[in-house]
Amino acid sequence: DVKVTQSSRYLVKRTGEKVFLECVQDMDHENMFWYRQDPGLGLRLIYFSYDVKMKEKGDIPEGYSVSREKKERFSLILESASTNQTSMYLCASSPVFVAGLAYEQYFGPGTRLTVT
Amino acid sequence: AQSVTQLDSQVPVFEEAPVELRCNYSSSVSVYLFWYVQYPNQGLQLLLKYLSGSTLVKGINGFEAEFNKSQTSFHLRKPSVHISDTAEYFCAVSAEGAQKLVFGQGTRLTINP
Repeated sequence: DVKVTQSSRYLVKRTGEKVFLECVQDMDHENMFWYRQDPGLGLRLIYFSYDVKMKEKGDIPEGYSVSREKKERFSLILESASTNQTSMYLCASSPVFVAGLAYEQYFGPGTRLTVT
Repeated sequence: AQSVTQLDSQVPVFEEAPVELRCNYSSSVSVYLFWYVQYPNQGLQLLLKYLSGSTLVKGINGFEAEFNKSQTSFHLRKPSVHISDTAEYFCAVSAEGAQKLVFGQGTRLTINP
């Protein structure tokens, strides 16, 4: 079974802190994704990566950056945390795109981040 | 750009009753379609997927969905729900040329005893 793990289930940080959220997958997937999930807004894509050291902005990249130094690890960085970044963060991975269509994604358990 | 609409934000049903969660998408090209389930304080888990072939797709936990190309729909059904089906359900689409899935807003399914 594909396993996607996230470094923390719950995290509390102060405004202005630099925050790192780590995600690791064990299935040698090329693609990795970071989403945030808020009530009534569904899942919103922050960044994704389709190869090591490659990244693409998603729908809401402002205030975030990412790092992918190794294939299995994809980190989300909040450069200076703000209260409006309090949310559930979900990491996902998927195999290489098939015939021009994105394939299913496998999700981690999520990190609930609170910024005070 | 493709989009996904889940027509109901909340669906309450009684235990052992049938349920249908509706999903419509907008895309004029080939698509893959997915339903995910999210239990409280957990990540998303794949319920079922349509890639090609039979339009009726069976998934885990007794769920099934039917792909209707003419109506651009992919509704999720279960003939008899259980308390343990209480969760949020997300429909997602991957359209040709896109590199990512587009998710609907989710439908919260509540099962009453």
